[in-house]
Amino acid sequence: KAGVTQTPRYLIKTRGQQVTLSCSPISGHRSVSWYQQTPGQGLQFLFEYFSETQRNKGNFPGRFSGRQFSNSRSEMNVSTLELGDSALYLCASSLSPETYNSPLHFGNGTRLTVT
Amino acid sequence: QQQVKQSPQSLIVQKGGISIINCAYENTAFDYFPWYQQFPGKGPALLIAIRPDVSEKKEGRFTISFNKSAKQFSLHIMDSQPGDSATYFCAASADVYSGGGADGLTFGKGTHLIIQP
Repeated sequence: KAGVTQTPRYLIKTRGQQVTLSCSPISGHRSVSWYQQTPGQGLQFLFEYFSETQRNKGNFPGRFSGRQFSNSRSEMNVSTLELGDSALYLCASSLSPETYNSPLHFGNGTRLTVT
Repeated sequence: QQQVKQSPQSLIVQKGGISIINCAYENTAFDYFPWYQQFPGKGPALLIAIRPDVSEKKEGRFTISFNKSAKQFSLHIMDSQPGDSATYFCAASADVYSGGGADGLTFGKGTHLIIQP
């Protein structure tokens, strides 16, 4: 079974631009979560989608947004990029929003560099 | 506010030894405590998880010990091997729904583990 696929693997953008990252969950998984990983702040929760609805959102500015499609694939968008947005963005999928019986499976991330 | 504190930041253990990583949490609503392992260039992978109704869970060489009253939990890696060299993250969430409550999974800052041959 294929794992969580994130594209692209690397991105270089300039301040002020916007970027869209893509995530394909494991087949059959309907819940998708996004996390930002930086050396300073570690792993921080961005948002979670289930059945095309955003269930939860972390403490990030409105420049960070996402969506989920009917096939469970998800995208996240960051507008008006800032230098501090440089990070590894991780997508994780699970069968359902039930954590213990439906653990998160992470992709290998998209490395975003903002110059 | 860091809700899950992880220590040590880095750890060097001899092959065959026991690696111990500790985490402490503040939010008493947390009821799911997973550990993740991350290799360079890869995403975190779930190692083992525990709920607060048990004090210990063992899977192979990996054991979680949980102390609800102290709000602490730890990962023990027995017979540590060079292949265990990675970064380990503890995490916690506030309810049984994946992504946790409003904050999703709250992660510790990570422990960089090196197993020397």
